[in-house]
Amino acid sequence: EPEVTQTPSHQVTQMGQEVILRCVPISNHLYFYWYRQILGQKVEFLVSFYNNEISEKSEIFDDQFSVERPDGSNFTLKIRSTKLEDSAMYFCASNRQGKSGNTIYFGEGSWLTVV
Amino acid sequence: QKEVEQNSGPLSVPEGAIASLNCTYSDRGSQSFFWYRQYSGKSPELIMSIYSNGDKEDGRFTAQLNKASQYVSLLIRDSQPSDSATYLCAVNMGTNAGKSTFGDGTTLTVKP
Repeated sequence: EPEVTQTPSHQVTQMGQEVILRCVPISNHLYFYWYRQILGQKVEFLVSFYNNEISEKSEIFDDQFSVERPDGSNFTLKIRSTKLEDSAMYFCASNRQGKSGNTIYFGEGSWLTVV
Repeated sequence: QKEVEQNSGPLSVPEGAIASLNCTYSDRGSQSFFWYRQYSGKSPELIMSIYSNGDKEDGRFTAQLNKASQYVSLLIRDSQPSDSATYLCAVNMGTNAGKSTFGDGTTLTVKP
């Protein structure tokens, strides 16, 4: 069964450093998303991406965050200058059509620890 | 008021019993409703989606939606220890399938 893959599975970084989280969505999917989940808290939407541009973003997704689809297969989330409060599990997700009713497939997540 | 509110939990049921998980949402324009299962340290896994009022059954799982009451529930029949997990209710406005608003989750423990 096709799946969304994410790397790294776990990254530890120092505060102020840049981090790039990578995702390979399911190959025929066109809509891509990043979510985060701080330990013990709920899953939160960050951003959706379609046709090489951001289609929607949440208040969490400020100027420190950016997304990119650099080569037609990878979908990346960059955090420019990490803060302690960025420590969380980051989930990439994708779906085929983007319309309501389409299943979202989540990757296994990248656990980011900022020290 | 939280946008998506779930039973605070934790919920504990004996093996073979019915587990009932509830969720209310605040936005009347919501169109899509999802139940995810999340094991500790893992990603959410879609169990059920429901879009119309009424019941939707899939194996041991039944989702119930009442838009007038802004209420969605998940029933798990013949609960198994492997059903022990956190269950997440997610609600979507419908214009962007991926922009779901999640509840805090209800942790279910099924005791053998």
